[in-house]
Formats: sequence, C-alpha cells, structure tokens
Amino acid sequence: QVHLVESGGDVVQPGRSLRLSCVASGFTFSSYGMQWVRQAPGKGLEWVALIWYDGSDIFYADSVKGRFTISRDNSKNTMYLQMNSLRAEDTAVYYCARSRIQGWFDPWGQGTLVTVSS
Amino acid sequence: NFMLTQPHSVSESPGKTVTISCTRSSGSIASNSVQWYQQRPGSSPTTVIYQNSQRPSGVPDRFSGSIDSSSNSASLIISGLKTEDEADYYCQSYDSRSQVFGGGTKLTVL
Repeated sequence: QVHLVESGGDVVQPGRSLRLSCVASGFTFSSYGMQWVRQAPGKGLEWVALIWYDGSDIFYADSVKGRFTISRDNSKNTMYLQMNSLRAEDTAVYYCARSRIQGWFDPWGQGTLVTVSS
Repeated sequence: NFMLTQPHSVSESPGKTVTISCTRSSGSIASNSVQWYQQRPGSSPTTVIYQNSQRPSGVPDRFSGSIDSSSNSASLIISGLKTEDEADYYCQSYDSRSQVFGGGTKLTVL
C-alpha cells in the first residue's frame, strides 16, 4: 500500500523558518519524482515544488522561489521542504504527492498545517 | 506560464449528468495531459481522471474526461450523479517547468 505521511507543520512567526518532511512507504521511493502542493484555508490547490527521482532537477513556483528548498534522502525514503522567510500568505496545508506519468500526482499525503502568524 | 480556468461552482440533481470545464489560457490543451482530482471536505485530493481520459482503478465509470482543441479546454463528465460525488474538483496540467492547477469547482448534488 502506497503511503505518504507529512510532518513538521507548526505555528511560526513571520520571517522564521520551518522544515517539513514527507515519509514514503509501499513503493520504490528512489524511482519517483516527488512534489509539494499547498492549500490555503478555504482556497484552491497551489503547486509549490518538484524534485526529480534522483534530485538532479528541481523546480519551484515563483511564489516560493528563493525562500523554499526542496530536497530528498532516498536512503530514508523521505522528502523535505525547507521554508525560510515565512510570510502570512504561506499559511496553508502542505501536501506531498508522488509524481507519476505525464504530470499526474498520485497519491497524496494527508497534509500538514503551517500557520504563519505573529 | 499558463492558467487553467474552471467554473466556481456547478449544481445538478442526483441521477443527472454534469460537465465541469477547464480552459487553458495559452498553449494547446493537447500539448500536456490533464488530470482531475476530487477533494471532499477535510480530505486530501484523489485522482478521478489522469492523462485526459484515463480512470484509475477503483474510480467508477460514471467519471469520464476529454479534451477539445477547438475550445482549448478539458472536461470532466460525471453521469448518474450521486450525493457522494458532492466535492471540489480540480483540473491540473503542466509545462516544462511548472505544474498548474485550476481554481477548483464546487459540485453540489441536490
């Protein structure tokens, strides 16, 4: 059974940092690209970042470029999102998702809530 | 980058058929596959359609997808509506450097 579990969400002040983790199980993690997607309260889905299966290529949404860093440790079946210089507009549930063929995300984790507030 | 535009909401009665559109702002809708995700309140998104018209195992054949190059849009069609289909639906596609989601459509089955 393919399973993704996010963790690390918290309440943080603007300007601070936070690191999210996504632990994968039930599939060969090192063979798949992985993504982060977020959803602000009551809003739609917003793609955040993508990392290739081996970490050799990485892409970011313009809204987080220069502040967020996606990475992975294939030996630990884990993907990370380092979030720096957090803003109120970064408040959201952050989901990790496996990248499948031709841009398909499946499955998704249960999400972890990040709240940026003073 | 391009945008995907969906209607904010649609409603229909049980047993009827509803179509949710997703229009690509620039570039051809046929150039990159379109996926559709269902999100029920309090839950994570799940796939109902991938690669324009493919259904993952476990998704009923009441769900179908298509693309139309003349309108540069994709469509999610749900037939035989059930109250359990009430949810938010998002289309999604991509280009060489980014993934793009539509704004989502709230489906009410009343």
